[in-house]
Amino acid sequence: KAGVTQTPRYLIKTRGQQVTLSCSPISGHRSVSWYQQTPGQGLQFLFEYFSETQRNKGNFPGRFSGRQFSNSRSEMNVSTLELGDSALYLCASSLGDSHDTQYFGPGTRLTVL
Amino acid sequence: QKEVEQNSGPLSVPEGAIASLNCTYSDRVSQSFFWYRQYSGKSPELIMSIYSNGDKEDGRFTAQLNKASQYVSLLIRDSQPSDSATYLCAVNNAAGNQFYFGTGTSLTVIP
Repeated sequence: KAGVTQTPRYLIKTRGQQVTLSCSPISGHRSVSWYQQTPGQGLQFLFEYFSETQRNKGNFPGRFSGRQFSNSRSEMNVSTLELGDSALYLCASSLGDSHDTQYFGPGTRLTVL
Repeated sequence: QKEVEQNSGPLSVPEGAIASLNCTYSDRVSQSFFWYRQYSGKSPELIMSIYSNGDKEDGRFTAQLNKASQYVSLLIRDSQPSDSATYLCAVNNAAGNQFYFGTGTSLTVIP
């Protein structure tokens, strides 16, 4: 079974721009979660989608948004980029129930200049 | 109080020794517990999951869960330099819609 894929793997943007990241989950997985990882903060939860609905959201400003499509693929958008948005963005997929395991994609490394 | 707490380390052990990593969690109704390993610059990869009190062994790895004490640990036997990484403890909430991660423990195995 193919793993979680994320595109692009690397991205360089300038302040004020917006960016869209994509995540394709493992086949059959209906839940996709997004995380931001920085050296000082560890893994910070952004949001979780299940069957095209956002079920849970972390403590991030409204500039961070996401969506999920009917094939479970998910996108995350960050508008009006700030220097502090530079991070590794990880998505993880799972079946979506309370005993399930999350599997991570390789991540997208975003650098904001 | 954070949902999941880990000692950030760094933890250094000699090659061949046992490495012991610890984690506590705050939500008593949590049912699912996970250990992930993350190499520098890479994404987390699952090592083990544990759902019941007691020990679960997989090769050189043993996960231990004590729900009464809200405590999860990971033992790595016969540690190898390739085990050098950051180990993340994770807990799934009862609804299954959020994983809580600790900040990770950095482990270095010295040859």
